[in-house]
Order: sequence, then structure tokens, then C-alpha cells
Amino acid sequence: EAQVTQNPRYLITVTGKKLTVTCSQNMNHEYMSWYRQDPGLGLRQIYYSMNVEVTDKGDVPEGYKVSRKEKRNFPLILESPSPNQTSLYFCASKIAYRGGNEQYFGPGTRLTVT
Amino acid sequence: GENVEQHPSTLSVQEGDSAVIKCTYSDSASNYFPWYKQELGKGPQLIIDIRSNVGEKKDQRIAVTLNKTAKHFSLHITETQPEDSAVYFCAATAPDSISNFGNEKLTFGTGTRLTIIP
Repeated sequence: EAQVTQNPRYLITVTGKKLTVTCSQNMNHEYMSWYRQDPGLGLRQIYYSMNVEVTDKGDVPEGYKVSRKEKRNFPLILESPSPNQTSLYFCASKIAYRGGNEQYFGPGTRLTVT
Repeated sequence: GENVEQHPSTLSVQEGDSAVIKCTYSDSASNYFPWYKQELGKGPQLIIDIRSNVGEKKDQRIAVTLNKTAKHFSLHITETQPEDSAVYFCAATAPDSISNFGNEKLTFGTGTRLTIIP
């Protein structure tokens, strides 16, 4: 089954404790992206990757890191989480050719930073 | 950059009635307008999309209309059913002026929570 998976689905942590949210897709998509969803703000892009070893900032990259060492995986790293990073996070992937617009989203990771 | 506004933020309709959600965008270069449905506990899923070279697209009970001059597009759901209850997001994409490599960035609206009343 074609899908994007994220782990963990739920995470409660404390300020400053480094964490990683994993994302994996089995569709051989070149493009992967991370979004955060907050009430009243919709989905905002954090980082995206056009292919292995190619990453770039989205609209709200501060406090986040990403890496793309393999095509299927795109982990989101919070080196020193803060309470304002409490949010619902989604990973997405799509084909990276002009016109390949449909993004496939993972099930989400709800992060709480206390 | 692109800015997408979506209205209303909440919408309740009687089962069987129609629902309409409206979005406006700011970047006249935007040329792709998808609609995503997000059910409780799940990620957004594409339900319909339209490109700027057409004015309307239908898929069974769902339709999307686009007015490029006014820079707005709308989602229409007819004969609503309880399973249509969800949060709906519109989005707009402007082509990447630097490369043709599919880096069209999606800018989302703020979402509409649609509730179908049985």
C-alpha cells in the first residue's frame, strides 16, 4: 500500500530535550516536506527536500532541522524544543516533476512541549 | 509571497443540502488549486483540484470553480452526507520561476470545519 508513515504519532516532551520525528514514504517520491498545523493558521511549511541531500527552508524553519540521506526518509529534528513548537506535524511527499502536484500526507504527529 | 484566505471557518449544513467553501488568493501567477479533506486523526487527502486553464471541474458530488480575474475559487459539495463532515483546506500553487523541477510550493488556507447535521 502506497503510504507516508510517521513516528511517533504522539509525543510529550520537556523543553530542551532533543527529539526526532521520523517520516518514510514507499512511493519513490523525490519531493518530501514537513508542515505544522496550528488552529486558525492552516498548514505551514517548515522544510522541504527536492531529492537526496537537497533540502531548503519553508515558511517557518526556525528551531527545526531536517536531513535527507535516503530517498524514502525525511526526519524532522528539534534540537532544543520549546513550548511554541507544540503543534500537529505532517510529513508529505510527491513526485518532483512539473505538474506533479498531488501531495500525499502522513497521519500526523501530535507534539506537546512542556 | 502567496496568501490564501478561506471562508467560512466553520459551516453546518443539513444532510442532503449543499455546502460551499470559498477561497481567495493573492498571486496572479498561481496556476494550481487543490482541495484537501482532513478527517479526524488523519492527514489531509486530496479530493479535487483545478488548474488555471479551466473554470470548473466536477467529480460526482464535488465541484470546484475558479475565477482567475477575481482570484477566487470555491468548493461545492452537493447532496451532503454525514461522511462529508471533516476539515477542508484550499491551497494555491505558483510555478517555481527558477526551475521546472516540481518545486511548486503549496500555500494553504486556514481550513473550514464542515459539520453535516443528520
